[in-house]
Amino acid sequence: GAGVSQTPSNKVTEKGKYVELRCDPISGHTALYWYRQSLGQGPEFLIYFQGTGAADDSGLPNDRFFAVRPEGSVSTLKIQRTERGDSAVYLCASSLRGGGNILHNEQFFGPGTRLTVL
Amino acid sequence: GEDVEQSLFLSVREGDSSVINCTYTDSSSTYLYWYKQEPGAGLQLLTYIFSNMDMKQDQRLTVLLNKKDKHLSLRIADTQTGDSAIYFCAERPLGTYKYIFGTGTRLKVLA
Repeated sequence: GAGVSQTPSNKVTEKGKYVELRCDPISGHTALYWYRQSLGQGPEFLIYFQGTGAADDSGLPNDRFFAVRPEGSVSTLKIQRTERGDSAVYLCASSLRGGGNILHNEQFFGPGTRLTVL
Repeated sequence: GEDVEQSLFLSVREGDSSVINCTYTDSSSTYLYWYKQEPGAGLQLLTYIFSNMDMKQDQRLTVLLNKKDKHLSLRIADTQTGDSAIYFCAERPLGTYKYIFGTGTRLKVLA
């Protein structure tokens, strides 16, 4: 596609429920990133995929959060037993490749999924 | 650890210049970025600078980097109402892929 897309754009759920957030990266981009943006804050890194594997999941806040990218394209962020503190905008980004070359590492961001946990 | 700080709010009149400031703490060579975020839209990369540069100009945008003070600024010349948005400074330490964002500066342009 033309850009990174994320679905749904908004998700309202109840405390304790399970949610899945989807990211479709730009076609051909091998690197994919998830960030979380709380109200009034900048995005915070959650996890980075290079291809199908999670190269760095150090930003995931706890074991209720999990993400997959089984075919190296679409990624799903999964949150179990949601808590009110999980409410935020979840941003996905992709880049042509990961690593140090600036020309190939510009991260293109999607519009985000706004998650509200009641 | 890494930390990126920005002032929270800036208001300017249309046609004036805007200067948005950012300080960062990473001591290694790094890439530094300016992103724009409009309501309901994703982050849009405006410009970037590598830490071995002092200045970069791109049309109405000028980035200045003071490496000694770890201070980065974004100047927008002839600010327009369409420039109203939240501007994020971000750093990416050399050899890593994580972007570390500031809290964002909300720019309001008054007609």
